[in-house]
Amino acid sequence: EAGVVQSPRYKIIEKKQPVAFWCNPISGHNTLYWYLQNLGQGPELLIRYENEEAVDDSQLPKDRFSAERLKGVDSTLKIQPAELGDSAVYLCASSLAGGITDTQYFGPGTRLTVL
Amino acid sequence: KNEVEQSPQNLTAQEGEFITINCSYSVGISALHWLQQHPGGGIVSLFMLSSGKKKHGRLIATINIQEKHSSLHITASHPRDSAVYICAVRYGQNFVFGPGTRLSVLP
Repeated sequence: EAGVVQSPRYKIIEKKQPVAFWCNPISGHNTLYWYLQNLGQGPELLIRYENEEAVDDSQLPKDRFSAERLKGVDSTLKIQPAELGDSAVYLCASSLAGGITDTQYFGPGTRLTVL
Repeated sequence: KNEVEQSPQNLTAQEGEFITINCSYSVGISALHWLQQHPGGGIVSLFMLSSGKKKHGRLIATINIQEKHSSLHITASHPRDSAVYICAVRYGQNFVFGPGTRLSVLP
């Protein structure tokens, strides 16, 4: 069974440029998460989807970040314009139903470097 | 907001040693997860606990709900156990991760 797929694995851009990350969750998983992980820290939730609905986006900096999951399957996270402080690893995870005991399966992440 | 702390921050052990990593949190939770992250790799879920103790191979996880504390133990540690171990708690619809403990097991 394929795991959570993310692309690209690495991205280097100059500040003020736009960037987009793509995630394809495990087949059948209704819940999709986007996390940001800074070096030496644990992941921080950016947004959580139940199917195509964003049910928790309270930590998403909406002035520059946006996300979509149009058909309730794969998802795209966008930053426009990127700032130096956005350099981090962006992780995507999915789970079957988002319940409190559900196991999340993480993708390999996209490492973003903003110059 | 639930504050999740882990100790130690970094840990170096010799192969074969018994290892303990601790996690404490500030608000009552519905579940606690222990995760493993290898350098440059993805995150793998090791355990999900809501009470008591779980064992999988050389890994043992315990949780004390009253004390708001969990421990992850590794028996007979091996260099391949070298990774970052992250504690994550679920309360309500929120999911909060600890900062991680970086473990290095030397041969």
